[in-house]
Amino acid sequence: DTGVSQDPRHKITKRGQNVTFRCDPISEHNRLYWYRQTLGQGPEFLTYFQNEAQLEKSRLLSDRFSAERPKGSFSTLEIQRTEQGDSAMYLCASSFAGSGGLYEQYFGPGTRLTVT
Amino acid sequence: AQSVTQLDSQVPVFEEAPVELRCNYSSSVSVYLFWYVQYPNQGLQLLLKYLSGSTLVESINGFEAEFNKSQTSFHLRKPSVHISDTAEYFCAVSDSGGYNKLIFGAGTRLAVHP
Repeated sequence: DTGVSQDPRHKITKRGQNVTFRCDPISEHNRLYWYRQTLGQGPEFLTYFQNEAQLEKSRLLSDRFSAERPKGSFSTLEIQRTEQGDSAMYLCASSFAGSGGLYEQYFGPGTRLTVT
Repeated sequence: AQSVTQLDSQVPVFEEAPVELRCNYSSSVSVYLFWYVQYPNQGLQLLLKYLSGSTLVESINGFEAEFNKSQTSFHLRKPSVHISDTAEYFCAVSDSGGYNKLIFGAGTRLAVHP
């Protein structure tokens, strides 16, 4: 079990550029979640997938944000036309949903985005 | 809508002293409660959880939390802290056993001093 991995760990971009982050969940986990954490705050939910289906999106997720999980394994989060307010730590988590499952979400190390 | 309030943003404490980190939640449905810990430069790790059954839950490193439905609280306690417990602690609530989204509090920074 290698845990949840995220790439890149750090990203610095200029305002207006597009960025894409990748998350690889724990291999047997069928649910994948994205959260955003700003300085001094707890993580805020953005969206989650069960297998390849995106089941819920937060109102925080503007039209500039899009997430995919094309084969039910890894996921990508893209931010178009980045703004300074997008600067944050983007966290990915995964869990197993099913009878007898452990339920808890396991988090990756995060991708820190800085928009200049 | 669910929400979580962590009443203290920072808690300084001396090594070997007891500590309590407070967490209150609001929810109109059955809740499941979690404490996560974030050590410096590391990701979030689950510390303990309440899903059902006994209202007192314990972690492997000496922390415990008690679910109090009447006071809508899930305070985290440890009778004797160590320097290594210095970290950010987040309380979170979910309405479905953790399958769906977690709603987090703002966090409490525990600073243990020698």
